[in-house]
This record gives sequence, C-alpha cells and structure tokens, in this order.
Amino acid sequence: EPEVTQTPSHQVTQMGQEVILRCVPISNHLYFYWYRQILGQKVEFLVSFYNNEISEKSEIFDDQFSVERPDGSNFTLKIRSTKLEDSAMYFCASTGDRFRSIYFGEGSWLTVV
Amino acid sequence: DQQVKQNSPSLSVQEGRISILNCDYTNSMFDYFLWYKKYPAEGPTFLISISSIKDKNEDGRFTVFLNKSAKHLSLHIVPSQPGDSAVYFCAASSSGTYKYIFGTGTRLKVLA
Repeated sequence: EPEVTQTPSHQVTQMGQEVILRCVPISNHLYFYWYRQILGQKVEFLVSFYNNEISEKSEIFDDQFSVERPDGSNFTLKIRSTKLEDSAMYFCASTGDRFRSIYFGEGSWLTVV
Repeated sequence: DQQVKQNSPSLSVQEGRISILNCDYTNSMFDYFLWYKKYPAEGPTFLISISSIKDKNEDGRFTVFLNKSAKHLSLHIVPSQPGDSAVYFCAASSSGTYKYIFGTGTRLKVLA
C-alpha cells in the first residue's frame, strides 16, 4: 500500500540552526501538507501546497518556515533558524483530492536544544 | 481558536463493547470530516470520513454519525478491541480551504 515517507525520524539541533525535513508523498497525490504536534498538544496545520505553490498557511508558518518541492517527488519543510518552541513532531501528509482524506507520514521528531 | 472540540480527553471501554467518541465543531462552513487514530510517536492513521451531505458512514467496525444541526459528530467502534487503544482525532475542513482543523484528541483505552 502506498505511503507517505518522512526523513529523518528524529533530529536534534542547536537553537538557531537550519533544519530541513523531507517527505516523499504518495506518488499520484497532488496536494501536500505539513502539520505539527507539540508534545501533549493537538495536531496543528502549518501549510498546504498545490501546483508548486503554497495554497494556504497558518499563523505558525512565519518567515522562518519555507516549503519546496524540488524534484517532483520530495516535499521539504525548512526551518531557517530554529527556536526552542519549534520542538515538535512534524507530519507530512498528502492527498489526491482536496475533498478527500489526507494520508500522513510517520512524522519527524525535531528537538531543538 | 477551538473550532473543533473533543471534550472527553479519555475514555475506557471493556473489550467487545461499543466505544463512542464525540466531536463538536463551531464552524458551520465545515463540510467534510475525518477521524484518525494515532499511536505515540507515529503519524495519524486515517479511519473513516463523512461528507456533510450524509448523516452516517460505515466501514466495518467503524461508523461515523453526523448531526449538522447540532454541529456534532461521533465515531462508534463496535466491537471494541484492545488494539483500538490509541488517541482518536476528529478533523474538519470546508470547501473554501485546503486545511483540516484537528480536535484535541480522545485517548481510548480498551480493557481486555
């Protein structure tokens, strides 16, 4: 069964460093998302991406964040200068139809120290 | 911004009985709803969905009911199994947006 894959599964980084989280969405999907879950809190929407551009983003997704689909298969989330409060589980998701269910990857756990 | 609420943080149910997980929403524009199951340190796993044109959708042991007038949906799991023990999230979206808003989750524990 096709699945969304994410790397790395866990990354520890120093505050102020740049981090890139990578995702390979399901191959025939067209809509891509990043969500995050801070420990003990709910799953929060960060950004959606369609047709090679951001279609929607939340207040969390400030100038420190960016997304890219560099090669038609990978979908990346970059955090330019990490803060302690960026520590969270980051989930990539994709769907073939924006009115259908979205499928999540296993997550990348980011710890900023 | 609590547009989607799951007011029960936890629920314990005996194996074989019915589990009922509830979700309330405030935004009347929401027209598509999802339920996800999540284990610790894993991504949410899609369970079942419902569109606002329906009031019920069934898939095996899982049934979702939607009451639009009450802005309420529920997930029924029958019969409950120990492997169902997880955190369950409801999520909602509207046609005018690309994003899903998640509830805070309900931790279900099915006792053997």
